[in-house]
Amino acid sequence: AQKVTQAQTEISVVEKEDVTLDCVYETRDTTYYLFWYKQPPSGELVFLIRRNSFDEQNEISGRYSWNFQKSTSSFNFTITASQVVDSAVYFCAFLFNAGNMLTFGGGTRLMVKP
Amino acid sequence: DVKVTQSSRYLVKRTGEKVFLECVQDMDHENMFWYRQDPGLGLRLIYFSYDVKMKEKGDIPEGYSVSREKKERFSLILESASTNQTSMYLCASSFPQGKEKLFFGSGTQLSVL
Repeated sequence: AQKVTQAQTEISVVEKEDVTLDCVYETRDTTYYLFWYKQPPSGELVFLIRRNSFDEQNEISGRYSWNFQKSTSSFNFTITASQVVDSAVYFCAFLFNAGNMLTFGGGTRLMVKP
Repeated sequence: DVKVTQSSRYLVKRTGEKVFLECVQDMDHENMFWYRQDPGLGLRLIYFSYDVKMKEKGDIPEGYSVSREKKERFSLILESASTNQTSMYLCASSFPQGKEKLFFGSGTQLSVL
């Protein structure tokens, strides 16, 4: 069975600090997908990124970057120069190739203070 | 703008009541999902539907049932609500390929007293 662990339940930073959210997964599958979603206070989860298990290239999108390392089964998310609007709960999720059902981690609540 | 709409943002019910949570999507998605969100536990899948009248149990289906009579609508039913079903319920939808991203509703915070 797959498992996704987000060890940091809450992180608090001051605006403009960089912050990394950790995600570790367990699987015996060789083909799978990893996701990050953001849940702002409005409640609606918003898709941020999807990676497949064969693509270990890091990705950068503006202030957001993702570091996928198969060797350590990690898919970490870094926000550079954090802003108050980044305050949200962030979820990492796993999907094995033949499946339809995501396995979510417990989430990390990020609070960015002005 | 694509949308997944959940009928209520907040709901208060009494123990033993039958509760219906409704979800409608306007994206013609085949897949629809009901998740439950509890602090520290993340999102856990209750039920999944991949077509009209088709459903599969998720990780925690006990105490719940679902109905999908039309493609755009997916209902979650609590046959006899209990206090341990107090939670945030999130509906989502997606295209049929499993790796497709999910689109979520804003959630229904259900309190069972």
